[in-house]
Amino acid sequence: SSELTQDPAVSVALGQTVRITCQGDSLRSYYASWYQQKPGQAPVLVIYAKNNRPSGIPDRFSGSSSGNTASLTITGAQAEDEADYYCNSRDSSGNHPNVFGTGTKVTVL
Amino acid sequence: QVQLQESGPGLVKPSETLSLTCTVSGGSISSYSWSWIRQPPGKGLEWIGYIYYSGSTNYNPSLKSRVTISIDTSKNQFSLRLSSVTAADTAVYYCARGREGQQLVRYYYYMDVWGKGTTVTVSS
Repeated sequence: SSELTQDPAVSVALGQTVRITCQGDSLRSYYASWYQQKPGQAPVLVIYAKNNRPSGIPDRFSGSSSGNTASLTITGAQAEDEADYYCNSRDSSGNHPNVFGTGTKVTVL
Repeated sequence: QVQLQESGPGLVKPSETLSLTCTVSGGSISSYSWSWIRQPPGKGLEWIGYIYYSGSTNYNPSLKSRVTISIDTSKNQFSLRLSSVTAADTAVYYCARGREGQQLVRYYYYMDVWGKGTTVTVSS
């Protein structure tokens, strides 16, 4: 399959931990990359490769992978983390060279 | 610091061709891959395709028959053409820089620099 499936929405209390998952066959060969998107703004890369953060991304964001599932964890969520999060992966085995996940809306309570 | 800027008409008539250009500043286009992504109103991100600096391309199968991505290294620009547009092509269009490699037993690919996006409406 060339699809990446995410839970549509999750909520987290301020300062608590939330994990967002992304499932798809392509993730057995490729690490997912993760993007944060706030309303009216372009997506921003937050995690790439095994567990790498671009400069300027807080260390409360982390990533992991196991089998066909990739996860993005926010440890100690802040109000400014409320956003949509998308995973993305290439797929060298299927007919779809690149695909985004369905997106997860994170609400910080 | 590399920056990307999309440009092109904000309104396109149905059945016509949408044309956008992404200008790369602060760095050379002669490296990496360069992608187009779109987002219809209220919906998620959809990858359209990418081009390498060599000119090699790869497209979303659902759009492949209508999409052409080209690159002009002399101008540090790459472009998107989407033909026979309909209202379903109304979206914010983003350009982005792609990077890839291998870490341990897996490959990786990510888009680290994005343009701000440009809204394209298909309407008569």
